[in-house]
Amino acid sequence: EAGVVQSPRYKIIEKKQPVAFWCNPISGHNTLYWYLQNLGQGPELLIRYENEEAVDDSQLPKDRFSAERLKGVDSTLKIQPAELGDSAVYLCASSLEGEETQYFGPGTRLLVL
Amino acid sequence: LAKTTQPISMDSYEGQEVNITCSHNNIATNDYITWYQQFPSQGPRFIIQGYKTKVTNEVASLFIPADRKSSTLSLPRVSLSDTAVYYCLVARNDKIIFGKGTRLHILP
Repeated sequence: EAGVVQSPRYKIIEKKQPVAFWCNPISGHNTLYWYLQNLGQGPELLIRYENEEAVDDSQLPKDRFSAERLKGVDSTLKIQPAELGDSAVYLCASSLEGEETQYFGPGTRLLVL
Repeated sequence: LAKTTQPISMDSYEGQEVNITCSHNNIATNDYITWYQQFPSQGPRFIIQGYKTKVTNEVASLFIPADRKSSTLSLPRVSLSDTAVYYCLVARNDKIIFGKGTRLHILP
């Protein structure tokens, strides 16, 4: 069974540029999460989707971050414009609805110069 | 959600049993205790979850005392490949909060 797929794996951009990350969850998983992980820290939740609906986006910096999951499957996380402090690993995870076990992708490592 | 506290780092040797203890004094009745493992350049991976007493799977055991204010992850006969960060979490309703985890370093 394929796991959570994320792309790209690495991204280097200059500050003020836009960037987008893509996630394909495990087939059949209704719940999708985006996390941010800084070096030496645990992942921090940015947004959680139940199908197409964002049910928890309280930690998403909405002035520059946006996310979508239009058909309730794939999801895209966007940053516009990127800042130096956005350099981190962006993790996507998915789970079956109502279950607490989350399955994580390998993450996208972003470097903003 | 209950805050968890665990050691920042631990060292052990190959073949030893490793026990990582986590405290969660404010755990609620409906909360489950979950442990994740994370290798460098990978996302966290679910290891084990429990509510009370003892849970065992092919990877680890989880010991939870009656008051549930702490839990201990036990890794039997560790190998070099068990070097990773281990996160203790209290999970409820799809929402989990990661702390800094315990950085476990296995020595040959």
